[in-house]
Amino acid sequence: GQNIDQPTEMTATEGAIVQINCTYQTSGFNGLFWYQQHAGEAPTFLSYNVLDGLEEKGRFSSFLSRSKGYSYLLLKELQMKDSASYLCAVKAERSARQLTFGSGTQLTVLP
Amino acid sequence: DVKVTQSSRYLVKRTGEKVFLECVQDMDHENMFWYRQDPGLGLRLIYFSYDVKMKEKGDIPEGYSVSREKKERFSLILESASTNQTSMYLCASSLQTGGRQPQHFGDGTRLSIL
Repeated sequence: GQNIDQPTEMTATEGAIVQINCTYQTSGFNGLFWYQQHAGEAPTFLSYNVLDGLEEKGRFSSFLSRSKGYSYLLLKELQMKDSASYLCAVKAERSARQLTFGSGTQLTVLP
Repeated sequence: DVKVTQSSRYLVKRTGEKVFLECVQDMDHENMFWYRQDPGLGLRLIYFSYDVKMKEKGDIPEGYSVSREKKERFSLILESASTNQTSMYLCASSLQTGGRQPQHFGDGTRLSIL
C-alpha cells in the first residue's frame, strides 16, 4: 500500500523560515509534488521533485531524498498570505496517472 | 492558464437522491480525476479517466460512478446519496505525457447530504 505522512499543524512567525516534512512509503516512486491550498480554494501546484536534491523557486524550495523516502518544503521570509494547507503527493509508478496525497499540513503564520 | 470549472460551489441534497457533479476543463487534458477531501484524511481518489469513455477506479469508488462522454467534461454520480457522502469534492485534470505534469484543480463542490 501507499503511506504518506506529514505533520498536521505548524505555526511560524512572519519573516521566519519554516520546513514542512513529508515521509512516504510507496510501492514505487516516480515523483513527488507539493501543493498549496488556501481555505475554501483549489490546491495549486508549487513544486515537483523526481531526483535527489534541492529545487529552488523564489521563496519556496523543495528537497527530496529517495533513499530515505523523505521530502521537505522550505518557505523563507514568511508572509501572512502563506497561511494555508500544504499537501505532499507522490506518483508511485512511472505509468501511473494518479497521485497519492498526504493529509496536509496546516501552516499558520503569526504577525 | 488552465481552467477547471466545477458546476456548483455548494450543494444540498437528500438521502437517496441521485446526485450529479459536473467538471469541465479547457486545456484539452487527457486525464481527469475526482477526489473527496475530508478533515484528517486528505484527498482521496474516487475515480479517474485517461480518455473519453475510459475510467478507472481509485481508492474509494463505492457508491459512486463516473461518465466521460466528451474530453473536456467529467461527471461524478452519486447513485443513491447517503449522509456519509457529505464532503468536499474536487475535480482535477492533467496532461497525459510526462511524469512532472501537475494536476490542476477546480475550486471544489461542498456537498451536504441531509
